[in-house]
Amino acid sequence: EAQVTQNPRYLITVTGKKLTVTCSQNMNHEYMSWYRQDPGLGLRQIYYSMNVEVTDKGDVPEGYKVSRKEKRNFPLILESPSPNQTSLYFCASTGPGGVYEQYFGPGTRLTVT
Amino acid sequence: SQQGEEDPQALSIQEGENATMNCSYKTSINNLQWYRQNSGRGLVHLILIRSNEREKHSGRLRVTLDTSKKSSSLLITASRAADTASYFCATTGAGTALIFGKGTTLSVSS
Repeated sequence: EAQVTQNPRYLITVTGKKLTVTCSQNMNHEYMSWYRQDPGLGLRQIYYSMNVEVTDKGDVPEGYKVSRKEKRNFPLILESPSPNQTSLYFCASTGPGGVYEQYFGPGTRLTVT
Repeated sequence: SQQGEEDPQALSIQEGENATMNCSYKTSINNLQWYRQNSGRGLVHLILIRSNEREKHSGRLRVTLDTSKKSSSLLITASRAADTASYFCATTGAGTALIFGKGTTLSVSS
């Protein structure tokens, strides 16, 4: 079954404690991206990757890092989380160039206290 | 940068009625897509319309695109309670990012 998986689904952590949210897709997609969703603000892109070892900033990259060492995985790293990063995070993937329909993961609800 | 802007923000209808949502965007696009999101869950792709298309159908969904007005509409015919969700339009333009609007929340009551 074609899917995007994210882990963990729920995470409560404290300010400053490094964390990683994993994302994996089984569709051999080149393009992957991370979004955060906040009430009243909709979905905003954090980072995206056009292919292995190619990443770029989206609209709200501050406080986040990503890596793309393998085609299927695109982890999101928060080196020093802060309360304003409390949000619902989605990973997505799609075909070349990112201009096709995107497949979304189930979301990770992060709370930073 | 927010590109799409959905209207209305919220819509409540009865089962069997049609639901129409509108999306306006700011810059030229390659395509426009509509997604559905059930509460707190991942987004599901509904339909994609290319900039050279004016109308597209998929089951009970009808999407129109007017590039001269930079607007699109999503019509859901014969709504069901299961259509209750948030609906987002998203555009791709010169860049590669898929830029989402803030969504329309649809409530369908039985």
